[in-house]
Amino acid sequence: DAMVIQNPRYQVTQFGKPVTLSCSQTLNHNVMYWYQQKSSQAPKLLFHYYDKDFNNEADTPDNFQSRRPNTSFCFLDIRSPGLGDAAMYLCATSRDLSTDTQYFGPGTRLTVL
Amino acid sequence: QKEVEQNSGPLSVPEGAIASLNCTYSDRGSQSFFWYRQYSGKSPELIMFIYSNGDKEDGRFTAQLNKASQYVSLLIRDSQPSDSATYLCAVRSGSGNTGKLIFGQGTTLQVKP
Repeated sequence: DAMVIQNPRYQVTQFGKPVTLSCSQTLNHNVMYWYQQKSSQAPKLLFHYYDKDFNNEADTPDNFQSRRPNTSFCFLDIRSPGLGDAAMYLCATSRDLSTDTQYFGPGTRLTVL
Repeated sequence: QKEVEQNSGPLSVPEGAIASLNCTYSDRGSQSFFWYRQYSGKSPELIMFIYSNGDKEDGRFTAQLNKASQYVSLLIRDSQPSDSATYLCAVRSGSGNTGKLIFGQGTTLQVKP
C-alpha cells in the first residue's frame, strides 16, 4: 500500500503559469518535506512542515510556496514557473525531526514549456 | 567543499562481486547517516541507516561508519543487475534539531551480467 502519494506524477506547465503539486500520506507523520531534484543532482530541500510550523530553507526562491491544510496533505505551489524550475519534486515524511528516517513519495516530474 | 561528497561514478562491477560505495561528510557533529537507492526516473528508496561507529548488516548490504574519519560506506555483496542504480548518501546535520538531510550527488552503480 502506498504510504506517501504524489499527484500528478507528471505535470507540464507553461512558462509563468502557476502550478500546484500535491502530496498526501497515510503514515500520520508529523513532518512533511519538499525536495527539488534536477537531473544527476542531489535532492535539495526546499522547506518542511513540522505539524503546522513551516520552515523555509534560506535559499529557497520566493516563487516556491507551500501549504499544509491538515496532517495528511501538503501542497507545493510554484507561482511563476521558469525554465529552470523543471525538475523532479519529491515529497517526504518522517514521524519526527530527531532521528527518524524520511520516506519519499514517487515524485512529480515537472516540465516547463 | 561540499557537505556530503560521493564519487559520481559510474562504478562498474561484475555480477556476484562486492560493490563498495563511499561517502565523506564535512559536519563533524553529524549524528545519522542514510543510504538511499534511486532508480532512473524514480524517487529515493531507503536502503539502510546507521547511527553508531562500526558495521551494520542487513542481508546483502553492510553500512560502515567511521565518525573520526567522517566516512560512511555501503557494501553490496553478491551484486545483481537489479542493483544497478544511483546510491545516495544522506547525512543528518548535527546542528539544531531540524531533521534536515544533506544529500550527496550519488554514485551510479552498474552491475554487469
